[in-house]
Amino acid sequence: GAVVSQHPSWVICKSGTSVKIECRSLDFQATTMFWYRQFPKQSLMLMATSNEGSKATYEQGVEKDKFLINHASLTLSTLTVTSAHPEDSSFYICSAPRAGLQETQYFGPGTRLLVL
Amino acid sequence: GENVEQHPSTLSVQEGDSAVIKCTYSDSASNYFPWYKQELGKGPQLIIDIRSNVGEKKDQRIAVTLNKTAKHFSLHITETQPEDSAVYFCAASSDNFNKFYFGSGTKLNVKP
Repeated sequence: GAVVSQHPSWVICKSGTSVKIECRSLDFQATTMFWYRQFPKQSLMLMATSNEGSKATYEQGVEKDKFLINHASLTLSTLTVTSAHPEDSSFYICSAPRAGLQETQYFGPGTRLLVL
Repeated sequence: GENVEQHPSTLSVQEGDSAVIKCTYSDSASNYFPWYKQELGKGPQLIIDIRSNVGEKKDQRIAVTLNKTAKHFSLHITETQPEDSAVYFCAASSDNFNKFYFGSGTKLNVKP
C-alpha cells in the first residue's frame, strides 16, 4: 500500500491565490522530505528539501518566497504556492526516505495544480 | 552537481521482447541508483534499485546492471508485457536518504 500520501490530488485555482499541498508519511517518520516539480512529458526536478524543525533548503532558481515549505511534524510537510500564476501549473510530487527493511525513498502520488 | 543522462527517450518493443534503458551519471560520489516507473497522472513507483557495492541485481523480469568505472547503469526488462508500458526514470544519489537526480525519462511502449 501507499506509504506517502499527498492532498489534494488535484486543484484548480484562480491566478493570485495561494494553494497548500500536504505530504504525509503514513507509517513512518521522516525528518527530511523532498519536493519535486514535473512539467508534462518532462523529468522530475527537485525544488527543495524539507527539514523537520528547521528551514527548507531550496535548489538554485527556486523562489523560496514563492514556494513556502513547512515541515511541522515528523510525518507532515506542506508546500504552499503563493500568489499562483498560470506558469505555476504543474505536477508537484513529494518524497520521503524510509529506513529499515526497504530502505529507500517513497514518492507520493502527486498533486496536479492548474492555475487559471 | 550530479548530471544524469538517460537514453533512449522513447522505446517501442513487441510484446515478449526485451527492453534496455541506459543511464550515465557524472558524480563519482553517487552510490545509490534507483529506477522508477511512472504511469500517467501518478507518482513514480520504485521498481528496482542498486547500490554501488553491487554490479547486478535481478528481480523476476527486471534487472539492473552498474558499471562504476564507466559511470553507467542500465535497466533490463525481459519478456515485456503491455502493462510494462509507462515512463521509466533512472536516478542517482549519494545515498538513499539524500536528494535524487533524475534522468530525462524513457517512454516505453510495448505493442501487443
